[in-house]
Amino acid sequence: EAQVTQNPRYLITVTGKKLTVTCSQNMNHEYMSWYRQDPGLGLRQIYYSMNVEVTDKGDVPEGYKVSRKEKRNFPLILESPSPNQTSLYFCASSRTGSFNSPLHFGNGTRLTVT
Amino acid sequence: GIQVEQSPPDLILQEGANSTLRCNFSDSVNNLQWFHQNPWGQLINLFYIPSGTKQNGRLSATTVATERYSLLYISSSQTTDSGVYFCAVERGGKIIFGKGTRLHILP
Repeated sequence: EAQVTQNPRYLITVTGKKLTVTCSQNMNHEYMSWYRQDPGLGLRQIYYSMNVEVTDKGDVPEGYKVSRKEKRNFPLILESPSPNQTSLYFCASSRTGSFNSPLHFGNGTRLTVT
Repeated sequence: GIQVEQSPPDLILQEGANSTLRCNFSDSVNNLQWFHQNPWGQLINLFYIPSGTKQNGRLSATTVATERYSLLYISSSQTTDSGVYFCAVERGGKIIFGKGTRLHILP
């Protein structure tokens, strides 16, 4: 089944403890991206990647890191999480990077930083 | 940067009613897509529609790129249509979402 898989689904952590949220797609998609969803703010793009070894900042990249060493994986790294990063996170992928093919989302990761 | 505004923010309808959701964007865009977030939080792609009209069952969408807006039509609403509808545009590789329209369909 074609899908975008995020792990974990739920994560509770403490301020400053490094964490990684994994994202993997099995559709051979070139484009991958991360979003955070907060009440009243909709979805905001954190980082995106047009292809392997190519990553760029979205609208809210502060406090996050990403890497794209393989086509199928695009992990999101929080080196020193803070409470304002408590949010619902989504990974997404699409066949191309020009938004002319459907964007497919993972099921989300709900992160709480205390 | 480009602004994406959706209206109305909230909509409550009786089952069987029709609805029109609007997405305005402040500058020219390369592409536009519509998404539905169901009550369980899953985001589903509905349409890729940079211009023109597309239909998929009870849903259809129209984008008038020259006038910088897109419309999503839902006919004969069902309770399973409840959730939040987002439009999103792309500009220079970045994807910008509107804040969504929350739709409640009452049985």
